[in-house]
Amino acid sequence: DTEVTQTPKHLVMGMTNKKSLKCEQHMGHRAMYWYKQKAKKPPELMFVYSYEKLSINESVPSRFSPECPNSSLLNLHLHALQPEDSALYLCASRPGPFATNEKLFFGSGTQLSVL
Amino acid sequence: SQQGEEDPQALSIQEGENATMNCSYKTSINNLQWYRQNSGRGLVHLILIRSNEREKHSGRLRVTLDTSKKSSSLLITASRAADTASYFCATDATGGFKTIFGAGTRLFVKA
Repeated sequence: DTEVTQTPKHLVMGMTNKKSLKCEQHMGHRAMYWYKQKAKKPPELMFVYSYEKLSINESVPSRFSPECPNSSLLNLHLHALQPEDSALYLCASRPGPFATNEKLFFGSGTQLSVL
Repeated sequence: SQQGEEDPQALSIQEGENATMNCSYKTSINNLQWYRQNSGRGLVHLILIRSNEREKHSGRLRVTLDTSKKSSSLLITASRAADTASYFCATDATGGFKTIFGAGTRLFVKA
């Protein structure tokens, strides 16, 4: 299994809602990433987990809350989002933080719309 | 972008022609990677070149890396309509695993 699976594929939420994005991989990868991508722009790094611990937080607002419950699963909890948070949210993984010449495996993303 | 620039921003060519995209970056790197993205989908890894390599080939892809100029190029030969997509370079900074993407080139190949 060489896939990263993201659910849901599409999500529409109001500014007062709480929702979660889910990402799963069964490749034994120990580094997992969240990226945010606006239309016609490159992916922007949000968070990196290494061995289930948060290693990098790119000064992301607290209305985005990541969680890594186990080595296969990565969640992104959303609360009180703004319309400008509407974007494609991408999850990625790689074998490990010390495998520095390894590619990233991406999921197909969650297209989020905040109304 | 978070790391560097790519040029051109957009490229339109005829099927069968070659497409060349350039990428510049700002920091010292372990490696440079190229990814492809079809509209609204996830990214697919194309090729990785290490900082001590100067050129690499994979099928119709040729990548060069010039660490003295902090730049890379991706050449797609004999392009096909199915190559229409956005192409991004990405770098892992030395000593880290923080992968940062360049601005990207949107390639359109006309049949």
